[in-house]
Amino acid sequence: ETGVTQTPRHLVMGMTNKKSLKCEQHLGHNAMYWYKQSAKKPLELMFVYNFKEQTENNSVPSRFSPECPNSSHLFLHLHTLQPEDSALYLCASSQDGLAGVETQYFGPGTRLLVL
Amino acid sequence: DQQVKQNSPSLSVQEGRISILNCDYTNSMFDYFLWYKKYPAEGPTFLISISSIKDKNEDGRFTVFLNKSAKHLSLHIVPSQPGDSAVYFCAATRPDGSGNTGKLIFGQGTTLQVKP
Repeated sequence: ETGVTQTPRHLVMGMTNKKSLKCEQHLGHNAMYWYKQSAKKPLELMFVYNFKEQTENNSVPSRFSPECPNSSHLFLHLHTLQPEDSALYLCASSQDGLAGVETQYFGPGTRLLVL
Repeated sequence: DQQVKQNSPSLSVQEGRISILNCDYTNSMFDYFLWYKKYPAEGPTFLISISSIKDKNEDGRFTVFLNKSAKHLSLHIVPSQPGDSAVYFCAATRPDGSGNTGKLIFGQGTTLQVKP
């Protein structure tokens, strides 16, 4: 595996379900990101982790809970979501989010549908 | 308030001709701008960037122009090829005071179709 991978690629869940999105990067990077892309809207940054520490929470509701156990893995735990949370969730990584502008490398995304 | 705007949701161009994708921004503190390309079922991939100290950056068929006074940037693709058909996002970033510039602000994207 190379680059940034995300699983699952598609997910349908009810509002009472609990699910998790997984992201893994094979690039040796130290910064990882979660983005949300709703239909016809820009990508919105949700969370940033640098060296496993959360450095950005962009006013995301608590029903989204990130976890970064190590620099290569990032999870997004979902519970009691709303239909308006249906979107494409993209993970990205960069070499070191603390040292200036860097190219972010994106995974293919998880297409989430909340019923 | 959307700080980065791509006002054209779609653009159709004939193969071999020039494609011009536009992006406007409102925050004068932005000092670095990037273009990403996204194919269906794939994540965005970095294409080209430009620092605010420059007004042009060229990489092969791709050139980005920055007009700071107008808070406007554009991506030129010439000649356009059918494989360039994708969604193009512009993004901007600025230092947050501590030097961190990992936070990208994206536009909503423009879908480019290059017809053979």
